Amino acid sequence: DAKTTQPNSMESNEEEPVHLPCNHSTISGTDYIHWYRQLPSQGPEYVIHGLTSNVNNRMASLAIAEDRKSSTLILHRATLRDAAVYYCIRIQTGANNLFFGTGTRLTVIP
Amino acid sequence: NAGVTQTPKFQVLKTGQSMTLQCAQDMNHNSMYWYRQDPGMGLRLIYYSASEGTTDKGEVPNGYNVSRLNKREFSLRLESAAPSQTSVYFCASSSVGNQPQHFGDGTRLSIL
Repeated sequence: DAKTTQPNSMESNEEEPVHLPCNHSTISGTDYIHWYRQLPSQGPEYVIHGLTSNVNNRMASLAIAEDRKSSTLILHRATLRDAAVYYCIRIQTGANNLFFGTGTRLTVIP
Repeated sequence: NAGVTQTPKFQVLKTGQSMTLQCAQDMNHNSMYWYRQDPGMGLRLIYYSASEGTTDKGEVPNGYNVSRLNKREFSLRLESAAPSQTSVYFCASSSVGNQPQHFGDGTRLSIL
């Protein structure tokens, strides 16, 4: 099963950090973890991805547990433009399809 | 910097009509994908093309056909539209299968 588990919704105050959790307890050793977000009425947007080590880019940080059974997307300072549905996706080696699930709807409170 | 371009953006069809959704990418990507998204749901893969000249079924392929016309273009065809195919359709591309995917803005399709 290539699916992941995320909370349905989370809230954050503007300008505060946000930690979005994801569980992928059946992950295989060579599976990547990708995060996408989808703003209202738009297509999904790639955020970040990783395999084993923590990753940082201009949008966010990805913290992957040592046993790789869970990960956390970190938005360091939430803005109103970060309000979106965030999808955590596990990609099996050699696979071409993403299982999106229903994601976490993030609400940012001004 | 167009990225992934989908046409049309909106379309209304009657049951039984046929239609082709167009998708083009300008990033020289090998892999292309078609997804559908129903209200309140995540995206589900319809078909994908890992490379030019190949296509494979995804999670929900019934009622659809695809053509990878060349490296840039990947079209999705509904031969006989049904109300259950009312959805938002997204096209995406990636350099290879497990690399980040880039999405178009979607085609909103209603079938009456």
